[in-house]
Amino acid sequence: TQLLEQSPQFLSIQEGENLTVYCNSSSVFSSLQWYRQEPGEGPVLLVTVVTGGEVKKLKRLTFQFGDARKDSSLHITAAQPGDTGLYLCAGDNSGTYKYIFGTGTRLKVLA
Amino acid sequence: DAGVTQSPTHLIKTRGQHVTLRCSPISGHKSVSWYQQVLGQGPQFIFQYYEKEERGRGNFPDRFSARQFPNYSSELNVNALLLGDSALYLCASSLGLTGELFFGEGSRLTVL
Repeated sequence: TQLLEQSPQFLSIQEGENLTVYCNSSSVFSSLQWYRQEPGEGPVLLVTVVTGGEVKKLKRLTFQFGDARKDSSLHITAAQPGDTGLYLCAGDNSGTYKYIFGTGTRLKVLA
Repeated sequence: DAGVTQSPTHLIKTRGQHVTLRCSPISGHKSVSWYQQVLGQGPQFIFQYYEKEERGRGNFPDRFSARQFPNYSSELNVNALLLGDSALYLCASSLGLTGELFFGEGSRLTVL
């Protein structure tokens, strides 16, 4: 069974702090996605990474895909209350036509 | 353009009952996937349909079934409901078998 473990599970920080969320697996994925989900809504895609070692930046968010395509990280610089939400990574194991989601990291940024 | 729409948004059932959840994908999207999200956890894959055929099934019992219609909308059916079926059921559409998933807001099912 493929699993994507995220850490930490919960994170509560002050506005302006930096943070990193990790997504790890023993399986190789052809691509990996990061989503943010707010209460009462479905997940919304933030980024897709497809190449081992790839780094993508989206404003204050930096995403990295591990060289072996088994892990990924999300770094947020100068967190804001609007960054509060559930962050999910999802792996695409091509050939099985399904996305496997991670366990999630619940982030709360306090003003 | 309308996004993925799901109905109903909330429903309450009792153990042993049956439930049907509905999903309309984004216009032009041919793939619909269903996920179950238990409170505090990540979504778990249930089914994927593409061009009206089942293309993937997760680790769920046979009480769970689904289908996709000619207009690409989809239904998820759950029979003999158990308390543990209480969850947010998410539908996601995509253009093809892989690629970006666009999620609806979900149907929150409570089983009493």
